[in-house]
Amino acid sequence: KNQVEQSPQSLIILEGKNCTLQCNYTVSPFSNLRWYKQDTGRGPVSLTIMTFSENTKSNGRYTATLDADTKQSSLHITASQLSDSASYICVVSASGSARQLTFGSGTQLTVLP
Amino acid sequence: DGGITQSPKYLFRKEGQNVTLSCEQNLNHDAMYWYRQDPGQGLRLIYYSQIVNDFQKGDIAEGYSVSREKKESFPLTVTSAQKNPTAFYLCASRIGDRNNQPQHFGDGTRLSIL
Repeated sequence: KNQVEQSPQSLIILEGKNCTLQCNYTVSPFSNLRWYKQDTGRGPVSLTIMTFSENTKSNGRYTATLDADTKQSSLHITASQLSDSASYICVVSASGSARQLTFGSGTQLTVLP
Repeated sequence: DGGITQSPKYLFRKEGQNVTLSCEQNLNHDAMYWYRQDPGQGLRLIYYSQIVNDFQKGDIAEGYSVSREKKESFPLTVTSAQKNPTAFYLCASRIGDRNNQPQHFGDGTRLSIL
């Protein structure tokens, strides 16, 4: 069974600090891995996508990494801002359609002033 | 602005009642999706549609029904057969049903039981 595990479940940091969120997966065959940001009461918004051949990709203060050998990904947030408070969801795709998407349960990040 | 609009934002259902959640998109996307989000769980696929007048069951379709009469619209009906409907429902769309394309999500409908 395909699974995506995210850690930690929740995280509290002070504004300006960095943090790293983890995503471990057992999805086969692997196609890509996407990170979404979901603000409270809103729909998820795509931050970045990682394919098999990519190790690192940045989107502003967000940097995602992928280790396809160990089936792990991380999302690093630099110089956190209050607006970074949200749930961060890791989604792993097997080749094909939406039936082959596996969603993690998310990491709830709270940034305090 | 192009996007996905879900309505209502909050919905309450009485015992034995069917309720319909609206999802409209003006992104000219062919594929549309309905997900259910429960606390501590990942999103679960209810139904999806790759093209007008066609749709397929997802992983948790029991107790739900959909229609796709227009490209822009993909309403979800939560029937009385769904015994645990309390959840946050998300509608999404994308250009085609291929996983190299991102899904664009609406802002959800929160359904509760009265």
